[in-house]
Amino acid sequence: DADVTQTPRNRITKTGKRIMLECSQTKGHDRMYWYRQDPGLGLRLIYYSFDVKDINKGEISDGYSVSRQAQAKFSLSLESAIPNQTALYFCATSDLPRGSGFYNEQFFGPGTRLTVL
Amino acid sequence: RKEVEQDPGPFNVPEGATVAFNCTYSNSASQSFFWYRQDCRKEPKLLMSVYSSGNEDGRFTAQLNRASQYISLLIRDSKLSDSATYLCVVNDWDGGSQGNLIFGKGTKLSVKP
Repeated sequence: DADVTQTPRNRITKTGKRIMLECSQTKGHDRMYWYRQDPGLGLRLIYYSFDVKDINKGEISDGYSVSRQAQAKFSLSLESAIPNQTALYFCATSDLPRGSGFYNEQFFGPGTRLTVL
Repeated sequence: RKEVEQDPGPFNVPEGATVAFNCTYSNSASQSFFWYRQDCRKEPKLLMSVYSSGNEDGRFTAQLNRASQYISLLIRDSKLSDSATYLCVVNDWDGGSQGNLIFGKGTKLSVKP
């Protein structure tokens, strides 16, 4: 079974609709992340959470919100979807770093392909 | 915004070729460096971490030059299965907060028979 799962895997919706993307992990990691990937732009960080009570905005948080329901679950919401939010969305997790300034590898879910018409 | 720059490619090489990818990063305080591999429409997966002394894993060799803020990945004896996009990844650390990972846009490799 996959360690990081995302639902749905594909979603087509209309402008103005509210959408929630869900992420679950069985790796026992405290840190979770949401990214979007667009052709030619690479991965960009939307939100991240270092534990259940710690949620932070990333590079491109406008138009998005998140909820960390438990250590294992991190949801991303688009309150009112717009066409330029059409993208591939990835959830990721990581373990605590081994020291100040260091960073562990991130483990990614399979992605959600979202299309906003 | 701190940047990670890569040649987007594509690099089209025959099987058995040796190919090298380069990456530069702008944050001199960065401490963690990685190469990830991403197959088309799939999630990125860690290929290897990059250590100061350089490191090798089978046909793959990674090098780090802190003075030049430069990372490289060398693939020897290319296989068809090496065809993918290779992402250079660096942590964004300012000496205070933990920072996050900055992903390059990736270099696409296509290995032909």
